[in-house]
Amino acid sequence: DAGITQSPRHKVTETGTPVTLRCHQTENHRYMYWYRQDPGHGLRLIHYSYGVKDTDKGEVSDGYSVSRSKTEDFLLTLESATSSQTSVYFCAISESIDRADEQYFGPGTRLTVT
Amino acid sequence: QKEVEQNSGPLSVPEGAIASLNCTYSDRGSQSFFWYRQYSGKSPELIMSIYSNGDKEDGRFTAQLNKASQYVSLLIRDSQPSDSATYLCAVKWAAGKSTFGDGTTLTVKP
Repeated sequence: DAGITQSPRHKVTETGTPVTLRCHQTENHRYMYWYRQDPGHGLRLIHYSYGVKDTDKGEVSDGYSVSRSKTEDFLLTLESATSSQTSVYFCAISESIDRADEQYFGPGTRLTVT
Repeated sequence: QKEVEQNSGPLSVPEGAIASLNCTYSDRGSQSFFWYRQYSGKSPELIMSIYSNGDKEDGRFTAQLNKASQYVSLLIRDSQPSDSATYLCAVKWAAGKSTFGDGTTLTVKP
């Protein structure tokens, strides 16, 4: 497996609280991504990063922010969690975003917002 | 909105048969196409990538791409029970941005 870890792996939180998920990689890949996956659905891109301090929005970015202060870490923050943000969150990395862009995924974080 | 549609499942095949998974996409300018396998409760893992029209073979897996028809498929030969999983088609349409299909769940029966 690619050297990607996510923490925490499981979290239950209450509506309105802030939550931060962490993705850590040891592959020194430049590009990192946050996706969410809901039952019966594919992966939807939340945000991605193309370098330290360089990020861009994906298709479902509302209610989420990200930060990347080091190559190896990409943080996803839910400013004020809502029940609609209950999901499984996957981090992914890739070496290139040109034609190849083969992405490798972390183990996921299961988030429940009550 | 870039769309990726996969054939609705679940798909069930007997052990040793060929499993055929299909995917269509809406963005004609897309250049890169990927198949991921996801076991229940696990993260997706890349199994095939294809960039040019035609077939690409890797062991028991063959990916087929037809850009004119905006169609990509995955064939699994000699299907094994260990191939039972959900298969996700992903289409890259811009730098850093891919759209994933909802997945097709495959069951291989011994």
